Amino acid sequence: KQEVTQIPAALSVPEGENLVLNCSFTDSAIYNLQWFRQDPGKGLTSLLLIQSSQREQTSGRLNASLDKSSGRSTLYIAASQPGDSATYLCAVTRGTGNQFYFGTGTSLTVIP
Amino acid sequence: GAVVSQHPSRVICKSGTSVKIECRSLDFQATTMFWYRQFPKQSLMLMATSNEGSKATYEQGVEKDKFLINHASLTLSTLTVTSAHPEDSSFYICSASRLGNEQYFGPGTRLTVT
Repeated sequence: KQEVTQIPAALSVPEGENLVLNCSFTDSAIYNLQWFRQDPGKGLTSLLLIQSSQREQTSGRLNASLDKSSGRSTLYIAASQPGDSATYLCAVTRGTGNQFYFGTGTSLTVIP
Repeated sequence: GAVVSQHPSRVICKSGTSVKIECRSLDFQATTMFWYRQFPKQSLMLMATSNEGSKATYEQGVEKDKFLINHASLTLSTLTVTSAHPEDSSFYICSASRLGNEQYFGPGTRLTVT
């Protein structure tokens, strides 16, 4: 069964710092990997989606990489802002009609 | 992008009663819908997968007689929590996908059982 782990569980950084969130998964037979943001008590906001054939995706200050063979992904956030404070979840799926396996999440706090 | 809605966004019910949560795909036909549950400070865990017109497939440990899922149309799936107990209090999120396309998540429903 696919298991997804995120490290660290919590992270607190001063505003302006660059930071990296880590995600690892046990089964490399994935279709895609997706990073989400979740604000307290809210639903999921999709940030970046990486297809299994891709190695990275970028959107604004966010860059996500994927190393499928080693079962790892990273989310890089440049020049962090207080508005980036949220829980970040990574999730993998084996296909478009298949469930997502979610990671344990990283709770990020950016201090002004 | 595709939009998935959930109703209600928040619901409080008394122990022993039943509550229904709706998940709708607003601008596409969803052949498959998924129901996830998230307990406080935990990640999302799949409860069940439903395909339009067929019975839902439940994950191990999820009681199918307690969590009734109906996917009667290509735009609507419902989750009914029967005889709710306080331990059923959780955040319930659905997602929807159309054949060969990505999944889209609803905004979630916060259930509190008193």
